[in-house]
Amino acid sequence: EAQVTQNPRYLITVTGKKLTVTCSQNMNHEYMSWYRQDPGLGLRQIYYSMNVEVTDKGDVPEGYKVSRKEKRNFPLILESPSPNQTSLYFCASRNSGTYEQYFGPGTRLTVT
Amino acid sequence: AQRVTQPEKLLSVFKGAPVELKCNYSYSGSPELFWYVQYSRQRLQLLLRHISRESIKGFTADLNKGETSFHLKKPFAQEEDSAMYYCALGRDGGTSYGKLTFGQGTILTVHP
Repeated sequence: EAQVTQNPRYLITVTGKKLTVTCSQNMNHEYMSWYRQDPGLGLRQIYYSMNVEVTDKGDVPEGYKVSRKEKRNFPLILESPSPNQTSLYFCASRNSGTYEQYFGPGTRLTVT
Repeated sequence: AQRVTQPEKLLSVFKGAPVELKCNYSYSGSPELFWYVQYSRQRLQLLLRHISRESIKGFTADLNKGETSFHLKKPFAQEEDSAMYYCALGRDGGTSYGKLTFGQGTILTVHP
């Protein structure tokens, strides 16, 4: 089944403790993105990647890192999480030539 | 800078009534506009795109460049239309870029 998977789905952590949220897609898509969803602010793009080893900042990249070493994986790294990064995170992928994005199920992160 | 505004956070209608979800954008280039929908406990998914000029689940949206709007309309709302709706804007030449800007989202509730 073609899909985008994220792990973990739920995570509660403490300020400053490094964490990684994984994202994987099995559709051989070139483009992958990370978004955060916050009430009243909608979906905001954190980072995106146009292909392996090619990444760029979205609208709210501060406090996040990404890497794209393989086409299928696009992990989101929080080196030193803070409470303002408490949010619902979505990974998405799409093929070149289309804007139809396939979204993962979301990861709910709480930083205390 | 590209921006998408959805002025209504919440919209309530009764079954069978017409519904219009508003979306306004600002972008100096040639935009590509989309509507994404998130039903309860489901992933965010593409509903329709302005280029295809299609009707999906009875919904239509017309790009009005003069008013910089892309409102989503349905003549007779159904209870199963209750969901979160996001308007999204892509850059021109667009599919070669990764950046897709989403609005704040509108929660539509259709009452029986």
